[in-house]
Amino acid sequence: GESVGLHLPTLSVQEGDNSIINCAYSNSASDYFIWYKQESGKGPQFIIDIRSNMDKRQGQRVTVLLNKTVKHLSLQIAATQPGDSAVYFCADKGDSSYKLIFGSGTRLLVRP
Amino acid sequence: DAGITQSPRHKVTETGTPVTLRCHQTENHRYMYWYRQDPGHGLRLIHYSYGVKDTDKGEVSDGYSVSRSKTEDFLLTLESATSSQTSVYFCAISSGNYEQYFGPGTRLTVT
Repeated sequence: GESVGLHLPTLSVQEGDNSIINCAYSNSASDYFIWYKQESGKGPQFIIDIRSNMDKRQGQRVTVLLNKTVKHLSLQIAATQPGDSAVYFCADKGDSSYKLIFGSGTRLLVRP
Repeated sequence: DAGITQSPRHKVTETGTPVTLRCHQTENHRYMYWYRQDPGHGLRLIHYSYGVKDTDKGEVSDGYSVSRSKTEDFLLTLESATSSQTSVYFCAISSGNYEQYFGPGTRLTVT
């Protein structure tokens, strides 16, 4: 598949360990955030979202944490599996009503 | 998966030729988007649509035009392709609740 980013920061974790992927955003007015997963050769896939009136939201094996004070977002993946290997993007809606601003992404590599 | 298809999935074309990429959705979503994805740049918005015949420019719209004559179809046209437009193009749709769902992508190579 095509490369989605030759110079992406990379996080390498052992299978079974927990992964934490971080993202910083710049617009303090942003009130909605999304995490996407992109596997090689595929389109970005929605994982989980969070609104600014929350600081934590949990899904299946994933948790998103939002720290509005320092404009920081993180995605935690529990018991990381080989199928979690992908590029992960955060996005926020900024000042727009229907556009998203995407981060550059982090590549997650899971070691067997 | 959201009902989004893109065609063609792969295309090789020559510099100076016109190219049209198609995005088709079966979700009846109001908003549709075209992005390009290049190494080192992430996803960049080209154009978007907020309804039939309603479109607006994104951050990298030069050299591209779009049309939306039906809710389900959003066309991206490169009037005269250049090598700098070699990229992977993604279509996305949204009902307006901010989350966007992406198609499988079109890899375009301009030689």
